[in-house]
Amino acid sequence: DGGITQSPKYLFRKEGQNVTLSCEQNLNHDAMYWYRQDPGQGLRLIYYSQIVNDFQKGDIAEGYSVSREKKESFPLTVTSAQKNPTAFYLCASNVRGVTEAFFGQGTRLTVV
Amino acid sequence: DQQVKQNSPSLSVQEGRISILNCDYTNSMFDYFLWYKKYPAEGPTFLISISSIKDKNEDGRFTVFLNKSAKHLSLHIVPSQPGDSAVYFCAAAPNSGGYQKVTFGTGTKLQVIP
Repeated sequence: DGGITQSPKYLFRKEGQNVTLSCEQNLNHDAMYWYRQDPGQGLRLIYYSQIVNDFQKGDIAEGYSVSREKKESFPLTVTSAQKNPTAFYLCASNVRGVTEAFFGQGTRLTVV
Repeated sequence: DQQVKQNSPSLSVQEGRISILNCDYTNSMFDYFLWYKKYPAEGPTFLISISSIKDKNEDGRFTVFLNKSAKHLSLHIVPSQPGDSAVYFCAAAPNSGGYQKVTFGTGTKLQVIP
């Protein structure tokens, strides 16, 4: 049963703490993406990776970091440098070069 | 600068009627367009797409129309069903460059009233 899994679904952290969001896919997709969604806004690209051990900044990469050590996994770390970390985070993947992407169910991060 | 605009934040339609969701874009390099549907606390799911070489694409109850000269596309849902109640995102991309070039609109929340 192929898909893309994000965990956890809800996450609470204290201000100043780093937190890592998990994203795993078993679709054998080359490319993976992280987006952030805020109320009343479209999805904004944080980071993307088109191949293992390589990733690129998206439109709003400041305060975030990623790694891509395995094809299946693309974790996102929200660092204490991110000024407004509270948001809904979405991970997606697709076959490189194809436009449609599959999304995970999202992680809602709340920083208090 | 919002390159993909969905000017109606919400829309209410009676069950069985047609739902029309609109999307405008400003970047003339966009030539591939997608619609996604999103339920609360879930990720978006791909609905339908259209390439700029077409002006219409149909999939069951869903039809997307593209007017390149007006830089406008619309999603028609006929007939609308309560399960269609969700947020619909329009997205656009240039034909080359990969998915990282996709730009999303702000979404339109559709409510289908039984």
